[in-house]
Amino acid sequence: NAGVTQTPKFQVLKTGQSMTLQCAQDMNHNSMYWYRQDPGMGLRLIYYSASEGTTDKGEVPNGYNVSRLNKREFSLRLESAAPSQTSVYFCASRTVTGGSPLHFGNGTRLTVT
Amino acid sequence: GQQVMQIPQYQHVQEGEDFTTYCNSSTTLSNIQWYKQRPGGHPVFLIQLVKSGEVKKQKRLTFQFGEAKKNSSLHITATQTTDVGTYFCAGLDNNNDMRFGAGTRLTVKP
Repeated sequence: NAGVTQTPKFQVLKTGQSMTLQCAQDMNHNSMYWYRQDPGMGLRLIYYSASEGTTDKGEVPNGYNVSRLNKREFSLRLESAAPSQTSVYFCASRTVTGGSPLHFGNGTRLTVT
Repeated sequence: GQQVMQIPQYQHVQEGEDFTTYCNSSTTLSNIQWYKQRPGGHPVFLIQLVKSGEVKKQKRLTFQFGEAKKNSSLHITATQTTDVGTYFCAGLDNNNDMRFGAGTRLTVKP
């Protein structure tokens, strides 16, 4: 049982390049999330998908897009990377929104130069 | 929107000393969750508190939810080197909006 799987683990981009972060969960969870983690700022929500077929903006959505491809997969796209997007990105899932625990992937460390 | 403040930002203790981290929300919470992130790792769920004044224990860890459901604390008794990591609270408000605190990074000197 793999849980939440994120790829890649590390990525270096140049300013203006694009990339997609992949996330898949095998726990049959309805809700999926993308967070970014920066020193001293905790985890900030970028986008989430409460259920298959829906996506919503979180706290810091600018510069990102998402796709809920199916119940298992939720991808995050950076269309034109900026140095301010240097961060560690975590995908997470939970049974339903709100009261159930979040299960996190191992994270993607992204550097934009 | 809601804000969740967590203090202290860092705490360094000698092994065997106690440790406490505190979370305060600007709004009343439906529940609060606590997570632990080991260095280089990902956050892992520890516990959820739902009721006003609730206290839960996990071995040496004690979690409290305030009477007004706006604050919470995590207390570790007699820290061990295995307790090293960053502890986050995450509060869910009545609009189903969850916000994480900035975390408290705990280091333990053997």
